[in-house]
Amino acid sequence: DTEVTQTPKHLVMGMTNKKSLKCEQHMGHRAMYWYKQKAKKPPELMFVYSYEKLSINESVPSRFSPECPNSSLLNLHLHALQPEDSALYLCASSQVARGPLNEQYFGPGTRLTVT
Amino acid sequence: DAKTTQPPSMDCAEGRAANLPCNHSTISGNEYVYWYRQIHSQGPQYIIHGLKNNETNEMASLIITEDRKSSTLILPHATLRDTAVYYCIVRPNTGGFKTIFGAGTRLFVKA
Repeated sequence: DTEVTQTPKHLVMGMTNKKSLKCEQHMGHRAMYWYKQKAKKPPELMFVYSYEKLSINESVPSRFSPECPNSSLLNLHLHALQPEDSALYLCASSQVARGPLNEQYFGPGTRLTVT
Repeated sequence: DAKTTQPPSMDCAEGRAANLPCNHSTISGNEYVYWYRQIHSQGPQYIIHGLKNNETNEMASLIITEDRKSSTLILPHATLRDTAVYYCIVRPNTGGFKTIFGAGTRLFVKA
């Protein structure tokens, strides 16, 4: 199974709402990632988890809060977002975060619209 | 991390080989070259990676020049389903967790 699943596929939320994005993989990977992608732009790294510990936070605003409950699950909690946060949010995983076994497997993404 | 330069777009006829170039003239000795692609409205897909030797898998071939300052991704028989944005990325083998995507090349495969 080389699949990374993300739920929901689409999400519309108001600026005062709290919502969560979910990502799951069952490949035994120990590194998981969140990326943000605006239209016609490349993905931008947000967070990296390695062995369930947060390793990189790319200066992401605190209204985005990642959580890695176990090695298979990655959540992104959203609170008080702005309309400019509307984007495709991609989750990825890799065997490890460093070294040549770093090829990442991406999920299909959650398309988020903030109204 | 080294930066990469790719042409913004390319066309290829269906059934012909697609050769996608990437310049990474500041690559360091411990940095690998990775290629991903992103088909419209999908997540990126890993294609191939290499350090200095040429590599081939079921999807593509990767040719890296001897000085490692550039590489070419070859799709041997392009199909319409290969229409996508192709990203060339360099990242170190040790240390660092980041995979930084550049602008990529938008490949159009035409019938």
